[in-house]
Amino acid sequence: GAGVSQSPRYKVAKRGQDVALRCDPISGHVSLFWYQQALGQGPEFLTYFQNEAQLDKSGLPSDRFFAERPEGSVSTLKIQRTQQEDSAVYLCASSLVVRMTSNYGYTFGSGTRLTVV
Amino acid sequence: AQRVTQPEKLLSVFKGAPVELKCNYSYSGSPELFWYVQYSRQRLQLLLRHISRESIKGFTADLNKGETSFHLKKPFAQEEDSAMYYCALSGVYGNKLVFGAGTILRVKS
Repeated sequence: GAGVSQSPRYKVAKRGQDVALRCDPISGHVSLFWYQQALGQGPEFLTYFQNEAQLDKSGLPSDRFFAERPEGSVSTLKIQRTQQEDSAVYLCASSLVVRMTSNYGYTFGSGTRLTVV
Repeated sequence: AQRVTQPEKLLSVFKGAPVELKCNYSYSGSPELFWYVQYSRQRLQLLLRHISRESIKGFTADLNKGETSFHLKKPFAQEEDSAMYYCALSGVYGNKLVFGAGTILRVKS
């Protein structure tokens, strides 16, 4: 597609439920990032993939968060046993190149708004 | 530690007035600085980056290493500039962004 696609757009989960959030990056984009954006805050880095390799997962807040990109394209962010503090918008971004400080920037998706009740 | 501070949650100006959105950063090395913008019901998108020294939609930003600032400026605000603006940084060899909390810019007619 023309842009980064995320699904679902909205997700309401009961506390303790597992959720899976999907990201379809732009075709051919090497780098893929997940960010978490709490209400009133800027996005915070969660994890980074270069093709299928997860090179940085330093931002994942707990072991309940897991991300994968098995074929170097679509990525899934999974949150197990959701808690209220997990409520946020989860943003996916992709880039054609490895170094985002090159002339190519990120392209962000519209995000998935997760509400844990 | 890497940190980006945007001291204003909301900046409200009249059309035609000058705009300055403040951004201060903390970083031990030589960072790359960016401004991202999110218009209503649209995705987050890159506005400009300091290494390009460009002017986009009339906006400019100068990196001041002495004051560790990267303020966004525009001499004459337009109503279509109303949006959320995020300042962000990355290390030169890094590939992740650290964002500020954002500033809402409202341009009134």
